[in-house]
Parts: sequence; structure tokens; C-alpha cells
Amino acid sequence: QQQVKQSPQSLIVQKGGISIINCAYENTAFDYFPWYQQFPGKGPALLIAIRPDVSEKKEGRFTISFNKSAKQFSLHIMDSQPGDSATYFCAARGSTLGRLYFGRGTQLTVWP
Amino acid sequence: DVKVTQSSRYLVKRTGEKVFLECVQDMDHENMFWYRQDPGLGLRLIYFSYDVKMKEKGDIPEGYSVSREKKERFSLILESASTNQTSMYLCASSWSGRQETQYFGPGTRLLVL
Repeated sequence: QQQVKQSPQSLIVQKGGISIINCAYENTAFDYFPWYQQFPGKGPALLIAIRPDVSEKKEGRFTISFNKSAKQFSLHIMDSQPGDSATYFCAARGSTLGRLYFGRGTQLTVWP
Repeated sequence: DVKVTQSSRYLVKRTGEKVFLECVQDMDHENMFWYRQDPGLGLRLIYFSYDVKMKEKGDIPEGYSVSREKKERFSLILESASTNQTSMYLCASSWSGRQETQYFGPGTRLLVL
């Protein structure tokens, strides 16, 4: 059973546009929601993260929106750039042992 | 800078061979993880360890085992490699706090023939 559902699987956006990736979860014990970015040939790296007591977190062009009642969270990339082309994974954490439950990933392509 | 290194970037093995994938981290992290990455399936947790000699099964432990004899090193073992274990294997490590970042290695792409 997939703990975190992510959509879309792939996304194509024109340079300067807004990229939006959505995730949903069921387990209300999850208490930390990071997004990871992975470039080809590299391991994933933390991009931005949010706790459920906050509805929005912004870092530069990247924003997480969090809706606790709907159990959904999303990543918005403003002014998308070709250098943002990568695979993005949402995740959720619910145990004291540090494990994360990852979504299946979204492959983002930003056309110049 | 946190560094997680994996012993090989690419590996080709035969069906039935015993395969060792090694991961080393240099930040004294308590937690270490092994994931498998397949297209369309995302990152699936195989095993993780929160202390030396301690291990916990992840979501897909079948066909794999792990060893953590030293804090900085976490090994993934395929006892008898099969073609369905052809995949990208990623190691990660983190401190033990509740919201600690996982740092990933570059991955090992394993092909089992």
C-alpha cells in the first residue's frame, strides 16, 4: 500500500511558467514533509521541507503548500527554469526511527 | 559537507552470484538506509539501520540482507542475485532526530544477467 501518492508522473512546463506537483497521504501520524530533487546520475537531495503546523513555506522560487485537513501538500516552482529539470519526490515521515515514505516521483522538464 | 559514498557506480553480475554493495558516510550519522529506485516506482526502502548491528526491514526486504558492523558503513547483500534485482540502489544516512535530512549517495546501477 502506497503511503504517499504523488502526481503527475511527468510534467512539461515552459520556461518562466509555474510547475505544480501534488502529493496526498492518509497517515495522520506523519509529522514532517520534505521534497527531494534528483538530477540525472545523482542521488536525491533535500530541496525544501515543511511541518504540518505551517500552511506554507517559501524558499526562493520554491513553495510548499500544506493542507492538513485534506491531507495534501504540493510543491510550486515559480518562474521555472531549464535548470529545474529533474525528478522531484515528495515524502512523509511518521516514525521515530527516521524513515521516510516517498512518492513515486515526478519528472519535470522545463523547455527553454 | 556530508559525504555518502557507494563502492561502485556500475556493477554487472551473473544470476546466482552473491553481490555486496557498500556504503560509507563520514558524518557520524546514526541512521543509514538502502533504497531501490525503479522507473515509475520511485524510491522503495529495502532495509534501514538506526545503530550498529541494528536493522529494520523496509518495504521490500525479500532477497536482500544487510550488515552494519561499524557506524559509518552499511552493506547491502544480495545472497543470490536474480534478474529482477537489476536496478539503481541508493544509500542514505541521517542523524536520529525526528526531522533530520537524509543524505544520499550517487547510487549503484546493478545489472544482473
